Amino acid sequence: DQQVKQNSPSLSVQEGRISILNCDYTNSMFDYFLWYKKYPAEGPTFLISISSIKDKNEDGRFTVFLNKSAKHLSLHIVPSQPGDSAVYFCAAHHSGNTPLVFGKGTRLSVIA
Amino acid sequence: KAGVTQTPRYLIKTRGQQVTLSCSPISGHRSVSWYQQTPGQGLQFLFEYFSETQRNKGNFPGRFSGRQFSNSRSEMNVSTLELGDSALYLCASSLGGGQGLSEQFFGPGTRLTVL
Repeated sequence: DQQVKQNSPSLSVQEGRISILNCDYTNSMFDYFLWYKKYPAEGPTFLISISSIKDKNEDGRFTVFLNKSAKHLSLHIVPSQPGDSAVYFCAAHHSGNTPLVFGKGTRLSVIA
Repeated sequence: KAGVTQTPRYLIKTRGQQVTLSCSPISGHRSVSWYQQTPGQGLQFLFEYFSETQRNKGNFPGRFSGRQFSNSRSEMNVSTLELGDSALYLCASSLGGGQGLSEQFFGPGTRLTVL
């Protein structure tokens, strides 16, 4: 049973345009959500997070939106740059010392 | 501050053998988590150690085990290797106290190939 789902395995976007990566979750106990970025041959790196008490968190070109009623979050990258090309993982957990649950990832390709 | 290190980076084994992977967390981090990444499966949680105790465990068979030492370094062991164990094994460290497991920092991973 997949508790965190990233239904788009891949996404292609032109440089300068907006990239929108989506993530759905099923466990209503999740209250903290994160996005990680992964380049080949490297471990994932933390990008941005959001607590369930918020519906938006912004950090530079990256914004995460949370819709609790729909159990849906999205990551917006504006403007997209070629260096953003990577696999993006959505993760969630019930805050505290519970493990992160990851989605399967979305491969973003930003075309110059 | 040095990041999370994992050794070895690459490993080739044959079915039936066993393997031990090592992870050194960021200095001061007391929690170490292990994940398995296979193509199309994302990161699947194996287990988490905090202060030398296994605190969380994922849904993997008993062939997968781990431990943590007093200096927070961790090892994971896979016995009786199967072809399906071929994967990238990632280790992540975090402070692990009141901040929980949210702020995890990953190592580069160990690529295990089972022939």
